[in-house]
Amino acid sequence: AQSVTQLGSHVSVSEGALVLLRCNYSSSVPPYLFWYVQYPNQGLQLLLKYTSAATLVKGINGFEAEFKKSETSFHLTKPSAHMSDAAEYFCAVTYNAGNMLTFGGGTRLMVKP
Amino acid sequence: ETGVTQTPRHLVMGMTNKKSLKCEQHLGHNAMYWYKQSAKKPLELMFVYNFKEQTENNSVPSRFSPECPNSSHLFLHLHTLQPEDSALYLCASSQDHTIAGYGYTFGSGTRLTVV
Repeated sequence: AQSVTQLGSHVSVSEGALVLLRCNYSSSVPPYLFWYVQYPNQGLQLLLKYTSAATLVKGINGFEAEFKKSETSFHLTKPSAHMSDAAEYFCAVTYNAGNMLTFGGGTRLMVKP
Repeated sequence: ETGVTQTPRHLVMGMTNKKSLKCEQHLGHNAMYWYKQSAKKPLELMFVYNFKEQTENNSVPSRFSPECPNSSHLFLHLHTLQPEDSALYLCASSQDHTIAGYGYTFGSGTRLTVV
């Protein structure tokens, strides 16, 4: 069964600091990987997705993620955090067998002034 | 404008009430989903419809009854709910549930409180 693990349910960074949110997946076949962001009382918004093209994927709001097959990871990064980046971030995975997304438990990002 | 619209945004209902949540998508997608998001719990998939046919029912109690009259509309009918059913209910859509890689487009959710 497919699964995805997000290390750290809460991450706190200072404004201007590097953001690193971790995601590891389990897979015996090539995955499709997604990062979503959720602001308070809102739905999930797609940040970026990996679909077996370039391993470094650029998304909206300055975020990017790198697919590393050897590490089964798809960590999300942003060079400089803004206060507006404070939100919950979800990693998700699916495979060729269909479009059933499996979500990680989420990471709440807090940005300190 | 996400392309997926959920109404109402907030709903308070008693345990003996009957209410419905509505979801509408304007993206031309063929698959629609209901998710439940409770505090401090992972996202829970409830139902999946692909081309109006229900393809997944994730052991959801019968007090939740989905309806998908066409590929653009999805309803969740609620009756005799329990306080633990209070949560954010999210609707999502995708191009086709049988084809991987599309991802989902989510609505803003309905915040349900059962009193």
